Amino acid sequence: LAKTTKPISMDSYEGQEVNITCSHNNIATNDYITWYQQFPSQGPRFIIQGYKTKVTNEVASLFIPADRKSSTLSLPRVSLSDTAVYYCLLPRGGNTPLVFGKGTRLSVIA
Amino acid sequence: KAGVTQTPRYLIKTRGQQVTLSCSPISGHRSVSWYQQTPGQGLQFLFEYFSETQRNKGNFPGRFSGRQFSNSRSEMNVSTLELGDSALYLCASSYQNGPPQETQYFGPGTRLLVL
Repeated sequence: LAKTTKPISMDSYEGQEVNITCSHNNIATNDYITWYQQFPSQGPRFIIQGYKTKVTNEVASLFIPADRKSSTLSLPRVSLSDTAVYYCLLPRGGNTPLVFGKGTRLSVIA
Repeated sequence: KAGVTQTPRYLIKTRGQQVTLSCSPISGHRSVSWYQQTPGQGLQFLFEYFSETQRNKGNFPGRFSGRQFSNSRSEMNVSTLELGDSALYLCASSYQNGPPQETQYFGPGTRLLVL
């Protein structure tokens, strides 16, 4: 089942922090929350993954509350190059295909 | 390591023709998946191959087919092209597409335009 991210689209100025939320009320015990980023006319790119609490890498942070029914992707100090569509997925593994929703379209403005 | 490569990057065909797209996965990856992306339908799964066997198939007509070679390279074929087949075709590879936390790596895609 495709996951819905909110907002559907958003504009942000350079240097601002951007937060995108994903709802996954029926998350299973073994599900990992995974975010992909897709630039125009390119394939999606893995950016971050987490199971619980908080995960941070050089690109983003992922916040997952204790009940794991939602998650928030945080992009600190966005730049023009962060303009992309962001997808939240719960890959099931076991050769189950990735299911992409509509994603959140982020446009960063100078 | 080199990333996933797809050829050709752009293709123009006419209705009724057939087309073959190629994907070379990351070295050592044995699973290759294909996706179709259109503005209206978004990213949709076509099929997945592992060790030359199709393990999973999406909801697409039989005109869409694929195969995987012993070196894990994969091809997909679309016969009797229709205007609606115009899309970005994406290939993704992973080591085995097993654990849920395993990452899939996508290629740049092949942009197909059917006239």
